[in-house]
Amino acid sequence: GAVVSQHPSRVICKSGTSVKIECRSLDFQATTMFWYRQFPKKSLMLMATSNEGSKATYEQGVEKDKFLINHASLTLSTLTVTSAHPEDSSFYICSARAGEEQETQYFGPGTRLLVL
Amino acid sequence: AQSVAQPEDQVNVAEGNPLTVKCTYSVSGNPYLFWYVQYPNRGLQFLLKYITGDNLVKGSYGFEAEFNKSQTSFHLKKPSALVSDSALYFCAVRERRGGSYIPTFGRGTSLIVHP
Repeated sequence: GAVVSQHPSRVICKSGTSVKIECRSLDFQATTMFWYRQFPKKSLMLMATSNEGSKATYEQGVEKDKFLINHASLTLSTLTVTSAHPEDSSFYICSARAGEEQETQYFGPGTRLLVL
Repeated sequence: AQSVAQPEDQVNVAEGNPLTVKCTYSVSGNPYLFWYVQYPNRGLQFLLKYITGDNLVKGSYGFEAEFNKSQTSFHLKKPSALVSDSALYFCAVRERRGGSYIPTFGRGTSLIVHP
């Protein structure tokens, strides 16, 4: 099956710094990528949908200036958590889809962010 | 808006026994339904999907799911559970929103298989 990678897998940072998380589709071109946030033992919260070459569509309640998403190529999307605070600590997961009509999403392994 | 519901936070089953993880859906039109599994500190892995065709869908790791239109359900099943099946299971539906297909996930069900 299709493979999606995320980097880093784990990051610890100080409050006020910015953190960039990369999501790559390794063996297919991802026209659409999704970014999720997951709290412990909770469901996935969709943060935003990004289509290659266009601005991301953010879900209600997600601050677009805080969670910057870039989808510059068909194999790479990045999520930057700007001026991170302890409440931003979470598990961030990306997923990718090969096309609008493709039904199946492929998920990355997730990035654990801890803000001290 | 389309949605899925997973009524159980947790399901406990003994190894070797059959397991069922429940999911019901609410959609307009034909549903596109999915099951994913998440192991600790990992991303989600695709198990199976229903788009059209046979109501019984077979997926990875011996799992299957039965689409029941009259009951609007898509329960995940396995005839004989393994301890290694212990994980978090998510049901999902695809909905069209703002010109794009957006996945909507249930809240997840924790499956615990006891030796």
